[in-house]
Amino acid sequence: EPEVTQTPSHQVTQMGQEVILRCVPISNHLYFYWYRQILGQKVEFLVSFYNNEISEKSEIFDDQFSVERPDGSNFTLKIRSTKLEDSAMYFCASKSSAGQETQYFGPGTRLLVL
Amino acid sequence: GNSVTQMEGPVTLSEEAFLTINCTYTATGYPSLFWYVQYPGEGLQLLLKATKADDKGSNKGFEATYRKETTSFHLEKGSVQVSDSAVYFCALNLNTGNQFYFGTGTSLTVIP
Repeated sequence: EPEVTQTPSHQVTQMGQEVILRCVPISNHLYFYWYRQILGQKVEFLVSFYNNEISEKSEIFDDQFSVERPDGSNFTLKIRSTKLEDSAMYFCASKSSAGQETQYFGPGTRLLVL
Repeated sequence: GNSVTQMEGPVTLSEEAFLTINCTYTATGYPSLFWYVQYPGEGLQLLLKATKADDKGSNKGFEATYRKETTSFHLEKGSVQVSDSAVYFCALNLNTGNQFYFGTGTSLTVIP
């Protein structure tokens, strides 16, 4: 069964460094998402992406964040200058079409900023 | 606004016990409701969903009924197994939008 994959599974970085989290959505999916979960808190929506542009973003998704689909398979989340409070589990998700409600999630990348 | 509140964990049950994980929501429109499950080391997997009031979602022995009058979508299973040990997330999706609104997740451990 096709699945969403994410790399790396864990990343440790120093405050102020740039990180890129990678996702490979399910191959025929067109809508892509990033969510994050700070330890002990809710899973929060960050951004949605369709047709090579951001379709929706939350207040969390400020200028430090960017997303890109650099080729036909990868979907990346870049944090330009990490802060301690960016430490969280980051989930990528995808879905096939606008009418499809169900999003398919990857296993997550646990980011720790020191 | 839109939000989901679910029962705090962790929950520990003996095998074959009855499970209830409470979930309530607030929504500005008419949401679809979901339960996702995350097994150790894996992604969030859709467990079940319901798209309108009084619908019952079911899968793998789990059930949840969309109750508009109590704005709830409680997850139940009559007899849990060790393999049900996971984190369970309640979520809503407004059909007009993209994003999911999740609860904090409830960790379930089933002991033999």
